[in-house]
Amino acid sequence: DAGITQSPRYKITETGRQVTLMCHQTWSHSYMFWYRQDLGHGLRLIYYSAAADITDKGEVPDGYVVSRSKTENFPLTLESATRSQTSVYFCASSVVLFYEQYFGPGTRLTVT
Amino acid sequence: GQQLNQSPQSMFIQEGEDVSMNCTSSSIFNTWLWYKQDPGEGPVLLIALYKAGELTSNGRLTAQFGITRKDSFLNISASIPSDVGIYFCAGSYHTGANSKLTFGKGITLSVRP
Repeated sequence: DAGITQSPRYKITETGRQVTLMCHQTWSHSYMFWYRQDLGHGLRLIYYSAAADITDKGEVPDGYVVSRSKTENFPLTLESATRSQTSVYFCASSVVLFYEQYFGPGTRLTVT
Repeated sequence: GQQLNQSPQSMFIQEGEDVSMNCTSSSIFNTWLWYKQDPGEGPVLLIALYKAGELTSNGRLTAQFGITRKDSFLNISASIPSDVGIYFCAGSYHTGANSKLTFGKGITLSVRP
C-alpha cells in the first residue's frame, strides 16, 4: 500500500533552472494539492486539482506551474527557480475537497 | 481571511504527563483536523471531527470540536518519547465555491524521558 509518494526527496538546484517535483498517489483520490512549508509560515497552499486537467491556484501560486494529465500524478514545476523557493514541498490528496488530506513524505528543495 | 491560532509554539513535558493543545479561530469551521508531523516526514492525520461538541479518541489521543465551532483541543495522555513532533490543527469550511482548509502553524512538542 504505497499511498502517496514524492520524488525526489531531496533536490539542490541553481537559481534560474527549471525543476519538477513529482507526486504520485495510489488511492484514486480526486483531489490533489501542493503545499510549501517554511518556518514561521506553516503550510501554504500553492495549487490544487479536482481531477485530470482541472487545476486551481492556492495562496502562493506565483513562480509555479502544475499539470494533471492522469488522476494519479500531479507534478509541480518551478520554471525558473529562485532562492525564495527554497522550502519543503508536500503533496497531498483527498476524496473530498478540503476535507481530510493525506500527505506525502515531502521534497526538500534548496535553490542556490 | 480565516486564521488559526496555536500557542505556545513549543511545549516541553515530562514522559508520563498529559498535555493539552488548543486551536482557536475568529471564524467558524465545519470540520476540525489534527495532524502530527515527525521530523523529515509529512503530516499524518490523527483525528478528524465533524460535528460541534464531538469528542473523539484515538488511543491516548482525545480531541474535541468546540461548541462555538471556533475552536478545538487535542489532549495526549500519558505521554511517551515517540509523541515528540509538531502538532497541527486544521479547520475546514465548506460553502461550495468558497471551501477552504486552513492550517495552524503548529506546536512543537518535546518529551523529556
